[in-house]
Amino acid sequence: AQSVAQPEDQVNVAEGNPLTVKCTYSVSGNPYLFWYVQYPNRGLQFLLKYITGDNLVKGSYGFEAEFNKSQTSFHLKKPSALVSDSALYFCSGGYQKVTFGTGTKLQVIP
Amino acid sequence: GAVVSQHPSRVICKSGTSVKIECRSLDFQATTMFWYRQFPKKSLMLMATSNEGSKATYEQGVEKDKFLINHASLTLSTLTVTSAHPEDSSFYICSARDQIETQYFGPGTRLLVL
Repeated sequence: AQSVAQPEDQVNVAEGNPLTVKCTYSVSGNPYLFWYVQYPNRGLQFLLKYITGDNLVKGSYGFEAEFNKSQTSFHLKKPSALVSDSALYFCSGGYQKVTFGTGTKLQVIP
Repeated sequence: GAVVSQHPSRVICKSGTSVKIECRSLDFQATTMFWYRQFPKKSLMLMATSNEGSKATYEQGVEKDKFLINHASLTLSTLTVTSAHPEDSSFYICSARDQIETQYFGPGTRLLVL
């Protein structure tokens, strides 16, 4: 069975510092991996995805993620955090049937 | 980017009544749409996969007679919560999958059953 894990319920980072939100996966075949962001009382917004190609994927709002096959990870990163980045972040993976992680709340402290 | 709408955004109903939620892909066709329920502690629970022109596939534990799904066209799927009870109160989110496997989500519907 495939699974996606987000080991941190919450990540706190100071504004202007780099941020990382972790995700590891276990999916069969080629992994299709995604990151979404959710603001309060809203649906999920697509940030970026990895299907094939370069391991470093760039997405919306300055976010990027690195696909690491050996570590089965797909961590979300941003060089300089903004207060407005504070939200709930979901990692997901799979083809046809998609599995979501449990979400990580990112808090950027002014 | 791809846009998915959901209507209504918020609904309050009496126990025992039925509520219909619409999910539309506005600028792309989606043969597959998904319905999720999100609980207060944030986790997303996949309820069912909606396929255009065929019956929905329900996840284990989801009552198909209670949560009726209809995918009438390539841009519209509906979820009807029948005989709603207070425990059905939740945040329901739909998504539509495009041709390159990316899901785009609607803004969600907050259902409160009194």
